[in-house]
Amino acid sequence: GAVVSQHPSRVICKSGTSVKIECRSLDFQATTMFWYRQFPKQSLMLMATSNEGSKATYEQGVEKDKFLINHASLTLSTLTVTSAHPEDSSFYICSAADISYEQYFGPGTRLTVT
Amino acid sequence: ILNVEQSPQSLHVQEGDSTNFTCSFPSSNFYALHWYRWETAKSPEALFVMTLNGDEKKKGRISATLNTKEGYSYLYIKGSQPEDSATYLCAFAGNNRKLIWGLGTSLAVNP
Repeated sequence: GAVVSQHPSRVICKSGTSVKIECRSLDFQATTMFWYRQFPKQSLMLMATSNEGSKATYEQGVEKDKFLINHASLTLSTLTVTSAHPEDSSFYICSAADISYEQYFGPGTRLTVT
Repeated sequence: ILNVEQSPQSLHVQEGDSTNFTCSFPSSNFYALHWYRWETAKSPEALFVMTLNGDEKKKGRISATLNTKEGYSYLYIKGSQPEDSATYLCAFAGNNRKLIWGLGTSLAVNP
């Protein structure tokens, strides 16, 4: 149990375009989903926390208009990187938490912006 | 600034060797310490969640200890196997429950 999928696993896009990443909890209802980013040789950094049906809470330094998060249901959250630039190239990974607040992770998405 | 540090950064051992890594974290506002195992191209897998000072947890050949007063946790692997090769991450959760991650220890077990 506690499987989280993430799609796509890898995406290459041109500068200025937008990219949507999906995170799904497959066998449980996730009250909270988290989006992390990892730059090379750095640790996972929390970008935002989203609760179903409400606005996401963004960490300091993360632009909410650039990284749009939608958590429309208890099993799906999406992260849209708008007007992507090369510096947005990174590894994005989501996690979903059940009522015990334990986090289950997706496999991540490698975004490359050319 | 809250900091979580892991050492060593990487480790190469022979099959059958036992090994251990360290995670150090802030000793104030402690809620929980998480250990994850992350294999390349897979999802991080939760190993342990530890909340009480003195906690010791075990899962097969892997065990972990926790000292919240001095702010460190050890992860032990007994009789390492090639399939144990992965990055082992620890994450500190403070009272706000947000996870602050270490950089991980990359373990390679040679057959």
